Amino acid sequence: DIQMTQSPSSLSASVGDRVTITCRASQSITNYLNWYQQKPGKAPKLLIYAASSLQSGVPSRFSGSGSGTDFTLTISSLQPEDFATYYCQQSYSTPPTFGQGTKVEIK
Amino acid sequence: EVHLLESGGGLVQPGGSLRVSCAASGFTFSNYAMSWVRQAPGKGLVWVSAISGSGADTFYADSVKGRFTISRDNSKSTLFLQMSSLRAEDTAVYYCAKYSGSSWYGGYWHFDLWGRGALVTVSS
Repeated sequence: DIQMTQSPSSLSASVGDRVTITCRASQSITNYLNWYQQKPGKAPKLLIYAASSLQSGVPSRFSGSGSGTDFTLTISSLQPEDFATYYCQQSYSTPPTFGQGTKVEIK
Repeated sequence: EVHLLESGGGLVQPGGSLRVSCAASGFTFSNYAMSWVRQAPGKGLVWVSAISGSGADTFYADSVKGRFTISRDNSKSTLFLQMSSLRAEDTAVYYCAKYSGSSWYGGYWHFDLWGRGALVTVSS
């Protein structure tokens, strides 16, 4: 199975900050990488697919980049509704695997 | 509006069985592969099982293989997960999730719709 490792595991940031979350795969996954947001007690929500494609309805302050083994999710200007946990997930091979999550908290 | 709604969660004793269901609406259910993803309390997301749009192909995580069975009724737009020989470590919220295509082959797929989840607690 492909292992996905996110960093950091948590971070504290202020409204308006630029936030970057990194995801590393244990082998090359080309650009078969998706990002999800999960708020407490809620279902995950798709943000980014195929490493850099923005899901319909998702604000443009979210962006994704990377290929091979290293990927990044960037929030250009953190908003109050963005405080949540973010997960990366590879779709390169079955079983699909998720990173352990990055919790974005209010500073 | 597209929607997934799980049901059937609850408390079950170790070694017992339980079936969770997921009712879909707002899209042509048979055109899409479906999956179950679980999340233990305070932990991350873990993929459990998947089934193709036709139901012909299924796939399981090693941790549940031989104990869980995924199925679907396309005439009723409903996904199922039959769980048996349950263990304490199966305690989790079970989410049904819709694939963006009819199968998981090809790589360019994602989970584009999730249900609210059903809590399964395995405890004596």
